[in-house]
Amino acid sequence: KAGVTQTPRYLIKTRGQQVTLSCSPISGHRSVSWYQQTPGQGLQFLFEYFSETQRNKGNFPGRFSGRQFSNSRSEMNVSTLELGDSALYLCASSLLTDEKLFFGSGTQLSVL
Amino acid sequence: AQTVTQSQPEMSVQEAETVTLSCTYDTSESDYYLFWYKQPPSRQMILVIRQEAYKQQNATENRFSVNFQKAAKSFSLKISDSQLGDAAMYFCAYRSKGNYQLIWGAGTKLIIKP
Repeated sequence: KAGVTQTPRYLIKTRGQQVTLSCSPISGHRSVSWYQQTPGQGLQFLFEYFSETQRNKGNFPGRFSGRQFSNSRSEMNVSTLELGDSALYLCASSLLTDEKLFFGSGTQLSVL
Repeated sequence: AQTVTQSQPEMSVQEAETVTLSCTYDTSESDYYLFWYKQPPSRQMILVIRQEAYKQQNATENRFSVNFQKAAKSFSLKISDSQLGDAAMYFCAYRSKGNYQLIWGAGTKLIIKP
């Protein structure tokens, strides 16, 4: 069974641009959540989707948005990039809300 | 708000020995989950062990076991017979029952000496 797949692995953007990250969950998993990991702030929750509905959102500005498609694949979008958005973005999927999370290898975003 | 604290930024242990990583948390809830995740250089977060707060029995997964002290809000991870492949960042995490987000500690870097 394929794991959680995140694309791309690495991304370099400049300030002011926008970026879209993709996450394909494990087959059959309907919950997808996103986390930002930085050396300074550590791991922080961005949002969680279940059956195309956002159920919870972390404390991030509106520049961070996401969506989930009917096949459970999810995308995360960051508009008007800032230097502080440089981070590893991790996606995780689970079968049900309280089941354990399976993580992808992340997308490393560098904003120059 | 819930918080998770890992007070050991780095730990080292000799191969084949035992090491314990510490984690404390703060919550007013009575039902929740606690996790230990491992993040090797590949960056993929891997679940090591999970504990449900209402279960008094400490969780065990092969060489990994926890010491869950609910009243003290302590959740330490014991790794027995340490192996070179155990070298990684270890994160303690908290999740409310019915909530959808993990709250993470700052992590502990585990170094295994051959």
